[in-house]
Amino acid sequence: DIVMTQSPDSLTVSLGERATINCEASQSVFYNSNKKNYLAWFQHKPGQPPKLLIYWASTRESGVPDRFSGSGSGTDFTLTIDNVQAEDVAFYYCQQYYNTPPTFGQGTKVQIK
Amino acid sequence: QVQLEESGPGLVKSTQTLSLTCTVSGGSISSGNYYWTWIRQTAARRLEWLGRISPSGSPTYNPSLNNRITMSLDSSRNQFSLTLRSVTAADSAFYFCARAGGILSWFDPWGQGTLVTVSS
Repeated sequence: DIVMTQSPDSLTVSLGERATINCEASQSVFYNSNKKNYLAWFQHKPGQPPKLLIYWASTRESGVPDRFSGSGSGTDFTLTIDNVQAEDVAFYYCQQYYNTPPTFGQGTKVQIK
Repeated sequence: QVQLEESGPGLVKSTQTLSLTCTVSGGSISSGNYYWTWIRQTAARRLEWLGRISPSGSPTYNPSLNNRITMSLDSSRNQFSLTLRSVTAADSAFYFCARAGGILSWFDPWGQGTLVTVSS
């Protein structure tokens, strides 16, 4: 199985600042055949369903605010939240869908200072 | 808009069988190229993919479950189900159903999740 490791485990930022979450895969999740990275990002607030934010490592899901952006390739990826808002307090997970079983990072908790 | 909702007992005794159902509304589970999936979240907030079932009812399971899992599709009720046998405390978790866009895909949308506790 591909192991996904996120850092940090927890992050505290001030309103309006930038939050950066890293995700490292134990092997590349890039397919040469279609030049795509098989990596997604989710936001999870307790009591709610997890919400898809980003797929193909950098494609923002419809309706997701443009302050959320994804970047990276191969084994190293980043989720950036610019101008953090109070409603962004949540857990964030990366997920690889390069092969079966799909696997998730351990999650990063984002809090407001 | 497709919505998913999990249902089933919240408490299961150790060594017994856990059974959950996911009801899908807003779209047919037997048409299209979507795969229907079960994922669980442990107390440590770790997410684990349990398995998926194709629109035609063909399942794929996570080998980590050691052949304890069965998934099935009920097209007439637009539901799919999860059965997990010989449960232990380690199977206590929030169980989510979700839709995947294919065999290699992200998950969207997800159900609200249902908490299952395994008691001794």
